[in-house]
Amino acid sequence: AQSVTQPDIHITVSEGASLELRCNYSYGATPYLFWYVQSPGQGLQLLLKYFSGDTLVQGIKGFEAEFKRSQSSFNLRKPSVHWSDAAEYFCAVAGMDSSYKLIFGSGTRLLVRP
Amino acid sequence: SAVISQKPSRDICQRGTSLTIQCQVDSQVTMMFWYRQQPGQSLTLIATANQGSEATYESGFVIDKFPISRPNLTFSTLTVSNMSPEDSSIYLCSVEIQGADGYTFGSGTRLTVV
Repeated sequence: AQSVTQPDIHITVSEGASLELRCNYSYGATPYLFWYVQSPGQGLQLLLKYFSGDTLVQGIKGFEAEFKRSQSSFNLRKPSVHWSDAAEYFCAVAGMDSSYKLIFGSGTRLLVRP
Repeated sequence: SAVISQKPSRDICQRGTSLTIQCQVDSQVTMMFWYRQQPGQSLTLIATANQGSEATYESGFVIDKFPISRPNLTFSTLTVSNMSPEDSSIYLCSVEIQGADGYTFGSGTRLTVV
């Protein structure tokens, strides 16, 4: 069964600073990996996904993530954070075996200092 | 990508009662899932809704508490039975379409049990 670890519960960065949110997964085969964002009181929005191919994937809102198989990681990055990026970020992994279940990490809350 | 209509969007229920949540998709999908998001928490998979057969429940979730129906490839219901305040959560329907953008989520049902 797959699992996801997001080791940082909260992260605070200053506006304009760079950001990296960590995600480690556990899955026996090549996983499908996702990052979602959830603003307060809002639904889930897909930022980016990795299925195969280029291990550096670009997403919306200037986010990118890099799949590193050797480290079982899929960290999310952004070179310059905007105040509107303050939200909860979820990493998720799907095992594309017969179950197709999408399992979420515990989330990282991003706070942005003015 | 698929469009999901989830009803009701919110409800306040008395303890001991049951609530049925509906999920309608605008296209036929194979994989349909139900999630729970407790206050301040991540999304936890409740079950996979299987068309024409019993749902597949995750550890910690049982059919007596969360009966699920899926009569066809576009519709499913989740019932939260014999509710207690601990069932106060957001419940979300999700579908996966192979070859598409991955997983689509409904806007959720915000349930408060008093």
